[in-house]
Amino acid sequence: GESVGLHLPTLSVQEGDNSIINCAYSNSASDYFIWYKQESGKGPQFIIDIRSNMDKRQGQRVTVLLNKTVKHLSLQIAATQPGDSAVYFCAERQGAQKLVFGQGTRLTINP
Amino acid sequence: DTEVTQTPKHLVMGMTNKKSLKCEQHMGHRAMYWYKQKAKKPPELMFVYSYEKLSINESVPSRFSPECPNSSLLNLHLHALQPEDSALYLCASSQDTGLWGTNEQFFGPGTRLTVL
Repeated sequence: GESVGLHLPTLSVQEGDNSIINCAYSNSASDYFIWYKQESGKGPQFIIDIRSNMDKRQGQRVTVLLNKTVKHLSLQIAATQPGDSAVYFCAERQGAQKLVFGQGTRLTINP
Repeated sequence: DTEVTQTPKHLVMGMTNKKSLKCEQHMGHRAMYWYKQKAKKPPELMFVYSYEKLSINESVPSRFSPECPNSSLLNLHLHALQPEDSALYLCASSQDTGLWGTNEQFFGPGTRLTVL
């Protein structure tokens, strides 16, 4: 079946280091992907998106890479800060309106 | 205003109760969504309204009844729920741009529902 998943359920990094969160998807026809951040007690917050006609997109301190050959998506966070602690979800668009979320990675920042 | 608001923040109800969750947005978005999120799990889509009409129902049990009174409001009516329905219920909205646009969904903070 079609699914969106993550390689690691938890990730612990030192403050100031770069973080890399990975996501695998199985539907080669998927054309649009979003990364969301969810802090405790809050709803998911949009971080960055990418369309399938791109392989890289940069935002403020974040970069998303898309490798369509191996159906892999990653989120890179530069100079990780304590406020980056959260669960990160990748989401894959199916059709015009449906988003399918991956299982999530909990990012923990060590001081 | 770039917020999606949800009320109440917390709700405790018995299995025979009838309650409603409310969601509101003033971003001019024409698509609104209900998601269910269990602890330590990703959000799962329940319903989508597009231009105030129900466009997607992900085979949700009839004890959950959505309603979209106007383009800014979305309700979820609850009746005869089960304890396993306890979860965080998230509302989201987006511009309905179709397949050729992007689909950035803005989420509210959710309603934490407990069914006793």
